[in-house]
Amino acid sequence: GDSVTQMEGPVTLSEEAFLTINCTYTATGYPSLFWYVQYPGEGLQLLLKATKADDKGSNKGFEATYRKETTSFHLEKGSVQVSDSAVYFCALSDHGDSSYKLIFGSGTRLLVRP
Amino acid sequence: EAGVVQSPRYKIIEKKQPVAFWCNPISGHNTLYWYLQNLGQGPELLIRYENEEAVDDSQLPKDRFSAERLKGVDSTLKIQPAELGDSAVYLCASSVNQAGELFFGEGSRLTVL
Repeated sequence: GDSVTQMEGPVTLSEEAFLTINCTYTATGYPSLFWYVQYPGEGLQLLLKATKADDKGSNKGFEATYRKETTSFHLEKGSVQVSDSAVYFCALSDHGDSSYKLIFGSGTRLLVRP
Repeated sequence: EAGVVQSPRYKIIEKKQPVAFWCNPISGHNTLYWYLQNLGQGPELLIRYENEEAVDDSQLPKDRFSAERLKGVDSTLKIQPAELGDSAVYLCASSVNQAGELFFGEGSRLTVL
């Protein structure tokens, strides 16, 4: 079945460092891809998405490009802030049969030090 | 606009006891989801509702789990009896339609002793 694999955390960076969180997927169709973020004590919230190959999703300085040839959707940010400390989840949409659901990766915790 | 509201936030029970979680989705959101999140893992879908109809409950362990969404608004997820392995966070989410952005509540953390 469809699946999502993320790099294991925690990822620890100093403020203003460059961030990459790797995400690869396996899917039989053409899924949409998402990054969700969970800040401490809060629910998951959508960070960005891409619905087809070569699309780039972006929000709050974060970017991710839908790469069909490498089945990847890596999350990047040029300069992280302490406030970016959170758990990041990569996900894909499964449109199998008549159902629709999100399949999540296991999450990557990011810790940004001042 | 109010977000997805879940209660209780935390629940500690002994094994074999029943437990229930409640979710109130965002007003106007027809689709409601219950997800299970084990420690260090991503959320996994338990059940999805379109209005009051459960359209995907294939991952719900029906021997001990049940859910309802009467009147197509708020929803309740019940576990009876609870087992040690049920300790996890139970997340509720809603969306305008089945392909829309999911909005999550803060979750209900269950500890079974």
